[in-house]
Amino acid sequence: AQSVTQLGSHVSVSEGALVLLRCNYSSSVPPYLFWYVQYPNQGLQLLLKYTSAATLVKGINGFEAEFKKSETSFHLTKPSAHMSDAAEYFCAVSSSGGSYIPTFGRGTSLIVHP
Amino acid sequence: SQTIHQWPATLVQPVGSPLSLECTVEGTSNPNLYWYRQAAGRGLQLLFYSVGIGQISSEVPQNLSASRPQDRQFILSSKKLLLSDSGFYLCAWSVAGVGNTIYFGEGSWLTVV
Repeated sequence: AQSVTQLGSHVSVSEGALVLLRCNYSSSVPPYLFWYVQYPNQGLQLLLKYTSAATLVKGINGFEAEFKKSETSFHLTKPSAHMSDAAEYFCAVSSSGGSYIPTFGRGTSLIVHP
Repeated sequence: SQTIHQWPATLVQPVGSPLSLECTVEGTSNPNLYWYRQAAGRGLQLLFYSVGIGQISSEVPQNLSASRPQDRQFILSSKKLLLSDSGFYLCAWSVAGVGNTIYFGEGSWLTVV
């Protein structure tokens, strides 16, 4: 079985501050991990994807995530938040031991204050 | 390159009326196709997925149905809408296999009144 937990339904930061969105996964075999972003009234867009090639994954818009097997985590970070980063962020996991269809977390809403 | 389109973008329907949301994918063959729903303030709920023409798997028993009449066409339907069917519906596709990225359409807002 596979599952993913996103800690915090809402995260609020000031413009220019560090962004940290937390994601923990559960998988009995090496997972594939994804972060997606959803802007209001739009579909989801892939930010980045972990496929075991490298533990630190760089994505679009300055975001990156680090795979930590010992912590079963895949947290998303960005050094400096922009107003345009305000959106809903989803973590997802898939694995050969579970379903090839990614299981999505409930999402974290990022709020950026000027 | 591959593209995915779904329509209509916005729909307001009375309770008891039928529904048809359409989705097409271009630039790929034999994709896996998916329908998700987002209710207000909630995450993504997988409704249906399809690995081939005429092959539909339902994840949640409900008032909706899906069909795949052509390789790259996926349709979400209902004979009689309920108020609880309101939400944001997302079509998506992926290449078959573990670890492949799912790509989403623009979404369709359905309000049942």
